[in-house]
Amino acid sequence: DAGITQSPRHKVTETGTPVTLRCHQTENHRYMYWYRQDPGHGLRLIHYSYGVKDTDKGEVSDGYSVSRSKTEDFLLTLESATSSQTSVYFCAISESNQGSGNTIYFGEGSWLTVV
Amino acid sequence: GENVEQHPSTLSVQEGDSAVIKCTYSDSASNYFPWYKQELGKRPQLIIDIRSNVGEKKDQRIAVTLNKTAKHFSLHITETQPEDSAVYFCAASITGAQKLVFGQGTRLTINP
Repeated sequence: DAGITQSPRHKVTETGTPVTLRCHQTENHRYMYWYRQDPGHGLRLIHYSYGVKDTDKGEVSDGYSVSRSKTEDFLLTLESATSSQTSVYFCAISESNQGSGNTIYFGEGSWLTVV
Repeated sequence: GENVEQHPSTLSVQEGDSAVIKCTYSDSASNYFPWYKQELGKRPQLIIDIRSNVGEKKDQRIAVTLNKTAKHFSLHITETQPEDSAVYFCAASITGAQKLVFGQGTRLTINP
């Protein structure tokens, strides 16, 4: 499982509330990613990180922010949750320090429902 | 940026037959093409990958082919079994971009 833990695994929240999802890894990987998965859209990249305090946007970053203050933790925050952010969120890591062109491995996913 | 198109969106085959899923990509700089299998309620898991310096790779009943000129790659599953039923995703990686772009997924159903 590449030592990836996501929390919480399931959450129901109300529209307008802040939500933070946590991804924790135990193997000192440099690259970490947050994807969301929705029917008909596959897996879409939200944000990724290439080191402590180094992050960049993916293709669907609006409404999301991230932070990486330690190598092992990558946090995804929804500042004010909306129903369109109801989704399954997957954290992922890249085993190589090169990032691109190397295999990524996914965490178990976090199911978020915004009501 | 890179765009990956995957077809078909659903595929149903008889047990024992072969299944083929196809993907096209837009950026000729892409050089890494993995395939993931996702069972219901589980995480996507890598099943096979190919890099642009080879045209075909096999692993038991699974093979992937790559045509760089046409910018498409395919997943082939032979002698399908019920446990092959899942959603399959292709992806492409742009050199230097440190991220994978995924296709929309194919739901494969193996009928006994």
